[in-house]
Amino acid sequence: DTAVSQTPKYLVTQMGNDKSIKCEQNLGHDTMYWYKQDSKKFLKIMFSYNNKELIINETVPNRFSPKSPDKAHLNLHINSLELGDSAVYFCASSPTSGSATEQYFGPGTRLTVT
Amino acid sequence: GNSVTQMEGPVTLSEEAFLTINCTYTATGYPSLFWYVQYPGEGLQLLLKATKADDKGSNKGFEATYRKETTSFHLEKGSVQVSDSAVYFCAGEERGGGNKLTFGTGTQLKVEL
Repeated sequence: DTAVSQTPKYLVTQMGNDKSIKCEQNLGHDTMYWYKQDSKKFLKIMFSYNNKELIINETVPNRFSPKSPDKAHLNLHINSLELGDSAVYFCASSPTSGSATEQYFGPGTRLTVT
Repeated sequence: GNSVTQMEGPVTLSEEAFLTINCTYTATGYPSLFWYVQYPGEGLQLLLKATKADDKGSNKGFEATYRKETTSFHLEKGSVQVSDSAVYFCAGEERGGGNKLTFGTGTQLKVEL
């Protein structure tokens, strides 16, 4: 009965590799997000999708490419990984209805680039 | 652009102590304001929210009041418990901004017996 799930939970890889993180929500929400949390716990939005359409695209290197095959899934693909990409990546979802809607977060994926 | 500033941590309190975590925001309009909590090893959870001036959000003994005149949304709890140990994030959502949340830097709270 997990609401927002992410895989993998931990990901250790070397610089230059390409990796993907997957996110799925079973809440029936229309909007999904990717956030990056750095080592100091600072949390910043990267992307959001509404019904498979890109809505928010913050200043993120184009090595990061989100893909939404359907409204329940939002995957994050990262090319040519760099040391600075090491962080915890959180997926979230929310219903799309007006403002001040609650966002539901997944447990996070800790990415370590060596 | 919009920004949210919250007090630096870590904050260490004894059980049953009074808690205040300060949060102020800068925005072109009047955003909706939130407090999210992150327990160790977990994702964030909504704790409470307020959408307009003088609104008070409350949940699990925590409260915060949206003060337009001071652009603040301070989090308070009268008597903290060890189980409240977590990182607390203040966040703002600008109106018409596509549900985009701007987070503060987070404040780590540790409650000891």
